[in-house]
Amino acid sequence: DAKTTQPNSMESNEEEPVHLPCNHSTISGTDYIHWYRQLPSQGPEYVIHGLTSNVNNRMASLAIAEDRKSSTLILHRATLRDAAVYYCIHNRNNDMRFGAGTRLTVKP
Amino acid sequence: NAGVTQTPKFQVLKTGQSMTLQCAQDMNHNSMYWYRQDPGMGLRLIYYSASEGTTDKGEVPNGYNVSRLNKREFSLRLESAAPSQTSVYFCASSALGSGNTEAFFGQGTRLTVV
Repeated sequence: DAKTTQPNSMESNEEEPVHLPCNHSTISGTDYIHWYRQLPSQGPEYVIHGLTSNVNNRMASLAIAEDRKSSTLILHRATLRDAAVYYCIHNRNNDMRFGAGTRLTVKP
Repeated sequence: NAGVTQTPKFQVLKTGQSMTLQCAQDMNHNSMYWYRQDPGMGLRLIYYSASEGTTDKGEVPNGYNVSRLNKREFSLRLESAAPSQTSVYFCASSALGSGNTEAFFGQGTRLTVV
């Protein structure tokens, strides 16, 4: 079962960095690690993905452990609009299974 | 560019009724997915389709059927709705099945079965 483990909730202060951890101990060599977030009453939104190397885009950075059994999503400066549920999944040939995610609260 | 469009947005059914949830994408994507999300929970995969004409079961396929009649559309059918199927249903699509592309989600269909 391609499920991941994340903390239920995290808090951050506005304009501070946020590190969201994820464990994916059942990941296989060809699974990509994806992060999505879901704002209230909306569908999930893509954030970032990677395979082995660390990745950066305009939204966030993704740090992948050398053994690929964990990863960390980094929001460099949290804003109030980043308050959402963040999901880490490993994408196994079309079989994308979400866990419960981490609810991020951003305090002004 | 509409992305992933789901219809209807809201639906109330009586127990035992049937209905089809529609999903269409205009991005020429190969892969499409159906998820359900119960209150306070994460998304659970119902079915997915790697390409036109193919479908595979996900985590919770019981009580549902799907059809991928063409590349653009992927429908989800409830033959005999039950209160346990009250949920928000999300459709998604991605360009490839390899995992190296992002998935795009629709805005959801909120279904209540009474």
